Amino acid sequence: GIQVEQSPPDLILQEGANSTLRCNFSDSVNNLQWFHQNPWGQLINLFYIPSGTKQNGRLSATTVATERYSLLYISSSQTTDSGVYFCAVEPNTGGFKTIFGAGTRLFVKA
Amino acid sequence: EPEVTQTPSHQVTQMGQEVILRCVPISNHLYFYWYRQILGQKVEFLVSFYNNEISEKSEIFDDQFSVERPDGSNFTLKIRSTKLEDSAMYFCASSARVGLEPQHFGDGTRLSIL
Repeated sequence: GIQVEQSPPDLILQEGANSTLRCNFSDSVNNLQWFHQNPWGQLINLFYIPSGTKQNGRLSATTVATERYSLLYISSSQTTDSGVYFCAVEPNTGGFKTIFGAGTRLFVKA
Repeated sequence: EPEVTQTPSHQVTQMGQEVILRCVPISNHLYFYWYRQILGQKVEFLVSFYNNEISEKSEIFDDQFSVERPDGSNFTLKIRSTKLEDSAMYFCASSARVGLEPQHFGDGTRLSIL
């Protein structure tokens, strides 16, 4: 089945710093979503981005489907950005199934 | 904004007991999903459901699990005889159109098996 790899696995930032999180996937996908899991366990939908670039405030994402990767950019990080960031893809296999990566655990220090 | 709601937020059950986790998807959505997240691990797909039948299921979704849409609004996950390793957060999700619109997740039910 499809493999979804996220890097880095862990990231510690000073407040105000910028970062780039990466998601590689091994096969073609119908869609791709980025989620932030906050300390209470909620999965917050950040971007639905099967291809192209989107921006929402300090966050932006780019997916290059032909090269099978997506990037999540966080600028001017804040302590509230801490948590785990997951990339999730729906493989182009005809079924309705979503595969999550293992996540990037981000801690932003004040 | 419409939300996916899950109840209860936390369920504690004795090993071997049956448990039903409940979800109310967003009203105009047609595709429904259950996921599991063991503490500290990644989110794992369990099952997808469309047109009153299972569309796809993972190897985790064995005979102990079942799903149902009993009344046109609720979507339930039943575990027949719980095991200690079923302890996890269970997320429900729904979407309007597969491959064209995002999945919306509920806040999860934390299931603890004693």
